[in-house]
Amino acid sequence: AQSVTQPDIHITVSEGASLELRCNYSYGATPYLFWYVQSPGQGLQLLLKYFSGDTLVQGIKGFEAEFKRSQSSFNLRKPSVHWSDAAEYFCAVGAQNDMRFGAGTRLTVKP
Amino acid sequence: KAGVTQTPRYLIKTRGQQVTLSCSPISGHRSVSWYQQTPGQGLQFLFEYFSETQRNKGNFPGRFSGRQFSNSRSEMNVSTLELGDSALYLCASSLEYGTGLDTIYFGEGSWLTVV
Repeated sequence: AQSVTQPDIHITVSEGASLELRCNYSYGATPYLFWYVQSPGQGLQLLLKYFSGDTLVQGIKGFEAEFKRSQSSFNLRKPSVHWSDAAEYFCAVGAQNDMRFGAGTRLTVKP
Repeated sequence: KAGVTQTPRYLIKTRGQQVTLSCSPISGHRSVSWYQQTPGQGLQFLFEYFSETQRNKGNFPGRFSGRQFSNSRSEMNVSTLELGDSALYLCASSLEYGTGLDTIYFGEGSWLTVV
């Protein structure tokens, strides 16, 4: 079965700084990859997804992610973080009838 | 288009009781999945329904069950509640292919506290 690792439990960045959240997966074939964001007390909102094709995918709210097969990674990036980006971010890997989520990375944004 | 709707949003139950949570998927979506989210275990897949049939099941005891109706609405039930069942229960829907193969859209969740 597939698995996903988010190495950073908590990240703090200053508003306006760039952001990169790491995600590594384990799966025998090319998986379907997702990034979701969860604000406190809320459900998960899809930021972006990768199924195939261009390895750099654009999402909502100015986020992008790059699929690197050689590194089994799908890191999330944003060039300039806004205070409203403070939330928990989940990477997920999907395969036949199975979806696994990482443990999440909590993002704090300093003014 | 309305999103995934879950009811109730918050509830408190006593150990040994049972609880039923409801989920209305996005209009036109036929697959409904349920997840449990806790601080210790993170997001864990419970089960998935498609066309009123359970298509996939996670590693949870038989106290956790669900069903789907002909209009794709789904309910999950937890019987003989334990303190460890306190969690945020999330419902997600997708068009057809479901868990792992399609984009799933989440509701805001039902917060269950067992005392």
